[in-house]
Amino acid sequence: NAGVMQNPRHLVRRRGQEARLRCSPMKGHSHVYWYRQLPEEGLKFMVYLQKENIIDESGMPKERFSAEFPKEGPSILRIQQVVRGDSAAYFCASLEAVAKNIQYFGAGTRLSVL
Amino acid sequence: AQSVTQLGSHVSVSEGALVLLRCNYSSSVPPYLFWYVQYPNQGLQLLLKYTTGATLVKGINGFEAEFKKSETSFHLTKPSAHMSDAAEYFCAVTGNSGGSNYKLTFGKGTLLTVNP
Repeated sequence: NAGVMQNPRHLVRRRGQEARLRCSPMKGHSHVYWYRQLPEEGLKFMVYLQKENIIDESGMPKERFSAEFPKEGPSILRIQQVVRGDSAAYFCASLEAVAKNIQYFGAGTRLSVL
Repeated sequence: AQSVTQLGSHVSVSEGALVLLRCNYSSSVPPYLFWYVQYPNQGLQLLLKYTTGATLVKGINGFEAEFKKSETSFHLTKPSAHMSDAAEYFCAVTGNSGGSNYKLTFGKGTLLTVNP
């Protein structure tokens, strides 16, 4: 059973470009969480999705950020018009079911904005 | 609302010495508590978790943690440090209630250095 797959591992964008980060959860997992890790900070929750639904986006910046988890395919975190402050490591975690309450993390995407 | 405080952003021990990483939490609902380890440029790996039941929890790589409700603590220990334990350690909490969506609240992390 493959783990949580995130790609790309490293992403470089210039200010104003769009960044698309992909996350494929573990097989059989229908819950996905996105977290952001800024330098010298812990991970901060961004958004929680189930298939085709956003359940909790209380940690998402109000502008430029969006997330989806379609019926088929990976979850996508999209950042439009990136700024230098978006440079961070973005981690995805998947959960089989809430009763199992263990989140499995991917290796992350490290976004650098020039 | 929940929060996690990890005392000591950097802990240094000698190989073979006791490892103690401190974690205090606050939670308005019964908590689920976790310790994760992160090696450089990698994702987070679960070390151990507390949900309900026994308050002393054993995890991988010889680590264990004890949930102390009266002290709102969940400190991580290992009797004898190994060089391979050098990494960053994160304590996290989530809510143990029907309305919880189980999003994790993390501490800022403790970087463990093991000296030969």
